[in-house]
Amino acid sequence: EPEVTQTPSHQVTQMGQEVILRCVPISNHLYFYWYRQILGQKVEFLVSFYNNEISEKSEIFDDQFSVERPDGSNFTLKIRSTKLEDSAMYFCASSVLAPYNEQFFGPGTRLTVL
Amino acid sequence: AQTVTQSQPEMSVQEAETVTLSCTYDTSESDYYLFWYKQPPSRQMILVIRQEAYKQQNATENRFSVNFQKAAKSFSLKISDSQLGDAAMYFCAYRRGSGTSYGKLTFGQGTILTVHP
Repeated sequence: EPEVTQTPSHQVTQMGQEVILRCVPISNHLYFYWYRQILGQKVEFLVSFYNNEISEKSEIFDDQFSVERPDGSNFTLKIRSTKLEDSAMYFCASSVLAPYNEQFFGPGTRLTVL
Repeated sequence: AQTVTQSQPEMSVQEAETVTLSCTYDTSESDYYLFWYKQPPSRQMILVIRQEAYKQQNATENRFSVNFQKAAKSFSLKISDSQLGDAAMYFCAYRRGSGTSYGKLTFGQGTILTVHP
């Protein structure tokens, strides 16, 4: 069964460093999403992406964040200068066509900022 | 802004018994969808059940069913004949209707379900 994959599973970085989290959505999906979950808190929406453009973003998704679909398979989230408060689990999701279709989630990347 | 509240941080159930997880939400929208997602220890969230707000009939998927009370803005999940594999974190989630949404899900805080053999 097709699934969303994410790499790495765990990333440790120093404060101020740039990180890129990678996701491979399900191949025929067209809508892509990033969510994050700070330990012990809710899963929060970051951004949705369709047709090579950001469709919607939350207040969390400031200028430090960017997303890209560099090729036909990968979907990346870049954090330019990480802060301690960026430590969280980051989930990628994708859906096949319209946004009301089921979102399939990846296993997540745990980001630890020291 | 829409909010989703799960007031039960943890619940437990005996194997083969029934358990109900609570969820309330707040919205001024009339067109929306509600979901229950399961997150096992492996961390990958999977969709358990979905309810369209315009449908009066409660959704059912095998052992999983919902009690959708639109006026009360309540959306509880009932798990019948609980199995050890049901042990997980369960998230309630809200999404605006397709005409005004790009798919953003708003999640509750989650409920950890423990199943005792």
